[in-house]
Amino acid sequence: SQKIEQNSEALNIQEGKTATLTCNYTNYSPAYLQWYRQDPGRGPVFLLLIRENEKEKRKERLKVTFDTTLKQSLFHITASQPADSATYLCALDGAASKLTFGTGTRLQVTL
Amino acid sequence: DAGVIQSPRHEVTEMGQEVTLRCKPISGHDYLFWYRQTMMRGLELLIYFNNNVPIDDSGMPEDRFSAKMPNASFSTLKIQPSEPRDSAVYFCASSFVTGASEQFFGPGTRLTVL
Repeated sequence: SQKIEQNSEALNIQEGKTATLTCNYTNYSPAYLQWYRQDPGRGPVFLLLIRENEKEKRKERLKVTFDTTLKQSLFHITASQPADSATYLCALDGAASKLTFGTGTRLQVTL
Repeated sequence: DAGVIQSPRHEVTEMGQEVTLRCKPISGHDYLFWYRQTMMRGLELLIYFNNNVPIDDSGMPEDRFSAKMPNASFSTLKIQPSEPRDSAVYFCASSFVTGASEQFFGPGTRLTVL
């Protein structure tokens, strides 16, 4: 069966460090993968999209990698700040180009 | 643009009652999506529309759920009759295209069915 797995346990890191979140998938052949941020009580907000032929994409302090052999995407936030604390969702295109979301990983950045 | 607008933001109702959730997508977006989010199942796609036409409703859990998009600027998701297990946050999202295009989410409607 198809699965998208994100670490369900919260990730706690210290301010200034690099946070790395993982998204693994099985039985998908996505053409692209997206990352979203969700704050409590709000809807998800788009961050980055990476296509299957791209190994890496950057946007300011964010970096995403996409390894179609390992079926994995890594999401990095460098020089993390308390304001980066949120839940981060990965999403990939499944059947009929519909986006399917992982359950998200909660990131907590402490001073 | 004000972004995707949803109403109401919170809804508390009793089992058996009809519930109608409303969404106004971003102007110019051709696609509209309805999602449901729960702790157990995460964010699930219920149905999506292209140019006001329902394209895929395979995620709609039961016949109790129905969705309409009478015009490009308005959509409704109706649950009749509602049940306690329908309690969740319902999000509406819109995008220019499907596939490799970011989706813009509304603030959600938190539904509680007692």
